[in-house]
Amino acid sequence: RKEVEQDPGPFNVPEGATVAFNCTYSNSASQSFFWYRQDCRKEPKLLMSVYSSGNEDGRFTAQLNRASQYISLLIRDSKLSDSATYLCVVNEDRPGRRALTFGSGTRLQVQP
Amino acid sequence: DGGITQSPKYLFRKEGQNVTLSCEQNLNHDAMYWYRQDPGQGLRLIYYSQIVNDFQKGDIAEGYSVSREKKESFPLTVTSAQKNPTAFYLCASSIGLNAHTEAFFGQGTRLTVV
Repeated sequence: RKEVEQDPGPFNVPEGATVAFNCTYSNSASQSFFWYRQDCRKEPKLLMSVYSSGNEDGRFTAQLNRASQYISLLIRDSKLSDSATYLCVVNEDRPGRRALTFGSGTRLQVQP
Repeated sequence: DGGITQSPKYLFRKEGQNVTLSCEQNLNHDAMYWYRQDPGQGLRLIYYSQIVNDFQKGDIAEGYSVSREKKESFPLTVTSAQKNPTAFYLCASSIGLNAHTEAFFGQGTRLTVV
């Protein structure tokens, strides 16, 4: 089982749509969680951190469910510029390993 | 401006040659990482370092080597033992390996074996 799993997509949605991505992680000792955005052939950039209480940044909302070990990202009112790959990232803390672990990413394509 | 600089952006290597990818940061970060990304794939951890003169293997360390002689620098050598080195290599840094510390990435190096 992968440590961080995401649906690869692609998710093809029209402009203005609401879209949600989920990510599951296997290590219950994981301490912190992030969503990164990666444009084609570019480096990943931090979109938002994910806090236990959930957090919102404009059109983006992130939620964490520790009991079920999943993280979600909700994008409202999708824009063409939201088209990218969204990476779920977990800061693991287990014997012999303390590092950020990335999911394979979910590709979003917003259509005009 | 503070940031992470990777060089070169594109690199071509002949089979059987070693090559070193540069990564420098001026963010005063303790932790640094090297990831590899193949087309359509996620990032896989090669090596990481929590502090100067210390580094740990990641998930795919075979065929790679690193050094961390200075806080600012974490070069990656792709050796001839790496069977399939053509990939996009990303260097990152973070304040430390404590919880709640996000990573910042360089622009990456695209390595092609010819």
